[in-house]
Amino acid sequence: AQKITQTQPGMFVQEKEAVTLDCTYDTSDPSYGLFWYKQPSSGEMIFLIYQGSYDQQNATEGRYSLNFQKARKSANLVISASQLGDSAMYFCAMRGYTGGFKTIFGAGTRLFVKA
Amino acid sequence: EAGVAQSPRYKIIEKRQSVAFWCNPISGHATLYWYQQILGQGPKLLIQFQNNGVVDDSQLPKDRFSAERLKGVDSTLKIQPAKLEDSAVYLCASSLGAGGNQPQHFGDGTRLSIL
Repeated sequence: AQKITQTQPGMFVQEKEAVTLDCTYDTSDPSYGLFWYKQPSSGEMIFLIYQGSYDQQNATEGRYSLNFQKARKSANLVISASQLGDSAMYFCAMRGYTGGFKTIFGAGTRLFVKA
Repeated sequence: EAGVAQSPRYKIIEKRQSVAFWCNPISGHATLYWYQQILGQGPKLLIQFQNNGVVDDSQLPKDRFSAERLKGVDSTLKIQPAKLEDSAVYLCASSLGAGGNQPQHFGDGTRLSIL
């Protein structure tokens, strides 16, 4: 069975500093994809970054990077130079490449950026 | 490009009544998803369509929930009869395909309150 764990219900970060949001996963699927989404208080889910299980390099998208450690089954999101607009819920998600590509989400981490 | 459209934005009904949600995915997206997001939790997949066929509905409470995607474009999700525990945000998402590396694009969701 697949499982996503986000152990930080809430995180605080000072504006302009970097922050790491933790995500660990469990799967028996040999191939899978890992995603991070942002959900502001307005409710929409915004795709941030993707990492494939066979990708050799960590994914980066602007201020977002994914610290992928396959042996430890972790896929932490790093946000550099935090901005006030980064305050939101962040969800880690995983999709296996077999079994219909079903996507599962973690419980989320609420990030608060302080001025 | 236009995003995923959902309606209504909010809905309040009494238990045992019926309700329907509508979703129009991004043009050209073959895969459509319905998620249920209970307050404080991550989204849970209810049903996934590939064109107009069902790929996964293992977590859809079929005694009360139904969904269809006629002509492989728009989709409707229905609840009949509604229970108190159905209070949640119902998110529709779409992706180009069902491949493991395809990010999902979400609509704004429908917030359902059951009295």
